[in-house]
Amino acid sequence: QKEVEQNSGPLSVPEGAIASLNCTYSDRGSQSFFWYRQYSGKSPELIMSIYSNGDKEDGRFTAQLNKASQYVSLLIRDSQPSDSATYLCAVKSTGGFKTIFGAGTRLFVKA
Amino acid sequence: GAGVSQSPSNKVTEKGKDVELRCDPISGHTALYWYRQSLGQGLEFLIYFQGNSAPDKSGLPSDRFSAERTGGSVSTLTIQRTQQEDSAVYLCASSSYDPDTQYFGPGTRLTVL
Repeated sequence: QKEVEQNSGPLSVPEGAIASLNCTYSDRGSQSFFWYRQYSGKSPELIMSIYSNGDKEDGRFTAQLNKASQYVSLLIRDSQPSDSATYLCAVKSTGGFKTIFGAGTRLFVKA
Repeated sequence: GAGVSQSPSNKVTEKGKDVELRCDPISGHTALYWYRQSLGQGLEFLIYFQGNSAPDKSGLPSDRFSAERTGGSVSTLTIQRTQQEDSAVYLCASSSYDPDTQYFGPGTRLTVL
């Protein structure tokens, strides 16, 4: 079992729709969770971080965390073609700085 | 302020040669990470440094790979006797303790012929 699992996609949604990206992790003691966006040929950049169970909203982005289910998700409302990218889920392991990334989900937003 | 910088941006080498990749983290960041990303793949953790603590080398794929961080700042990733399967983009990131956001450099694209 991979430590951080994501559906590789591609996930295709029409412009203006809600894109839902999901991630599961294996280390039950993990405390920090991140979503990074990576455009083709570019480096990852942070979209959201979340540390507590529940929802965290930032503009069109909402991160959801459920530690009991070891599940974290990212919702993108009013999706735009500029949101087309690969979204990487990252989990920081217990008691340290080591961060494990998922393989990423490719998102296509169709105009 | 200045972000994370990496050099060279591109490196083409012949199989069997040694290569050195450099990372300059954001000033004041105590943590520094190296990752490898093969074409179309996610980020593979290689090593991280945190302050003066012993580095976590658990992700290094073989003993041909080594890294050091001098003076708590600049880091060098060395790959000895390169193989074709080492071809990838090598990404460096740094972070402070709080917040623990990782900021990535532009990467070094390594091609082993």
